[in-house]
Amino acid sequence: GAGVSQSPRYKVAKRGQDVALRCDPISGHVSLFWYQQALGQGPEFLTYFQNEAQLDKSGLPSDRFFAERPEGSVSTLKIQRTQQEDSAVYLCASSLDPSGYEQYFGPGTRLTVT
Amino acid sequence: AQSVTQLGSHVSVSEGALVLLRCNYSSSVPPYLFWYVQYPNQGLQLLLKYTTGATLVKGINGFEAEFKKSETSFHLTKPSAHMSDAAEYFCAALGNQFYFGTGTSLTVIP
Repeated sequence: GAGVSQSPRYKVAKRGQDVALRCDPISGHVSLFWYQQALGQGPEFLTYFQNEAQLDKSGLPSDRFFAERPEGSVSTLKIQRTQQEDSAVYLCASSLDPSGYEQYFGPGTRLTVT
Repeated sequence: AQSVTQLGSHVSVSEGALVLLRCNYSSSVPPYLFWYVQYPNQGLQLLLKYTTGATLVKGINGFEAEFKKSETSFHLTKPSAHMSDAAEYFCAALGNQFYFGTGTSLTVIP
């Protein structure tokens, strides 16, 4: 595809529900990043994949957050037992190089937990 | 640890006036520095980046930024604001991961 795509674009979940957010990176991009952007804030790093390997998950806020990229392309960010504080826009970015030097961002998924 | 500070969460300028958005970074080693723009309901778009070499970097849409090591700054400028420049702007630094500032919302007054 022409760019990074994310689905769904909007998700409303009741507190306690599990959600899965999908990211389709640019074809051939080695690196994939997930960010959480709270209202009025800048994006904050969650996790990073190089191909299928999750090399850094230091930004995941709790063990309720889990990300995978099993075949080194599409990635899924899963949030279990959602809480109100999980409400945010979740951004995915991909990069051709392993360092993530030049990242291309998707439009994001806006998650609202009620 | 690295951090990025953007001074002024909201900036308003008149159409045709100079745009100046401020960014300071904190790092013992100058990182790679970036400016991104975000339009409503869209992802971040890269405006420009500094790695090494020339400290004045030109980007898209007439924006430029100057890396000043002595001031640990990377301010974004544009000589003449256009209505289409109204958006959220983020400064970012790449060390071991990306660190974003909290953003500056630019309003352009006709």
